[in-house]
Amino acid sequence: QLQLQESGPGLVKPSETLSLTCTVSGGSMSSSSYYWGWIRQPPGKGLEWIGSIYYSGSTYYNPSLKSRVTISVDTSKNQFSLKLSSVTAADTAVYYCARLDWLLYYFDYWGQGTLVSVSS
Amino acid sequence: QSALTQPASVSGSPGQSITISCTGTSSDVGNYNLVSWYQQHPGKAPKVMIYEVSKRPSGLSNRFSGSKSGNTASLTISGLQAEDEADYYCCSYAGSSTWVFGGGTKLTVL
Repeated sequence: QLQLQESGPGLVKPSETLSLTCTVSGGSMSSSSYYWGWIRQPPGKGLEWIGSIYYSGSTYYNPSLKSRVTISVDTSKNQFSLKLSSVTAADTAVYYCARLDWLLYYFDYWGQGTLVSVSS
Repeated sequence: QSALTQPASVSGSPGQSITISCTGTSSDVGNYNLVSWYQQHPGKAPKVMIYEVSKRPSGLSNRFSGSKSGNTASLTISGLQAEDEADYYCCSYAGSSTWVFGGGTKLTVL
């Protein structure tokens, strides 16, 4: 059974960079059928797609966040990572990593989510 | 890329049917048959209920169905049950390997 687990600091100071890692277990990230993505959800609000990455390293970002987002992959560790720079309180959210099935076009496996608060 | 528009809340009694709408544009919902719907219970990760507008993942209840007309997709839940009470989100492919979610709808089972 595939599992995804987010990890990283739960508190980040304003103007600093948020960094999270998603560790994938129970399967390989190197399949051509899947992309790997980050999605966030501010407290009490809706979901927002942040971006996705292919195992080859190709990246795709939400245009509204593109200038501040970097997603990378390390297939040797079965991990992919998110960096969001110049954070503000508006970036406080639960951050989910998820697998995108590129054949069926939906996010089929999700991590449990991790709350990241931006505060001094 | 703007969020898809969903009603903030809907409600229904056990056994009834409800429909949640999801309105986008000709750049996302209207241009691709790649709308999916997710159910999210409090404190939990979202779970897909419908993909490619109207397909159900294996093992999911046939009480859930989806459709699309123009720029608006819809999720219908028939035979409402208490466990259906949750937040529901639509999601659409928006071209160039990008995705957009709806603002979410809170379903209350009365």
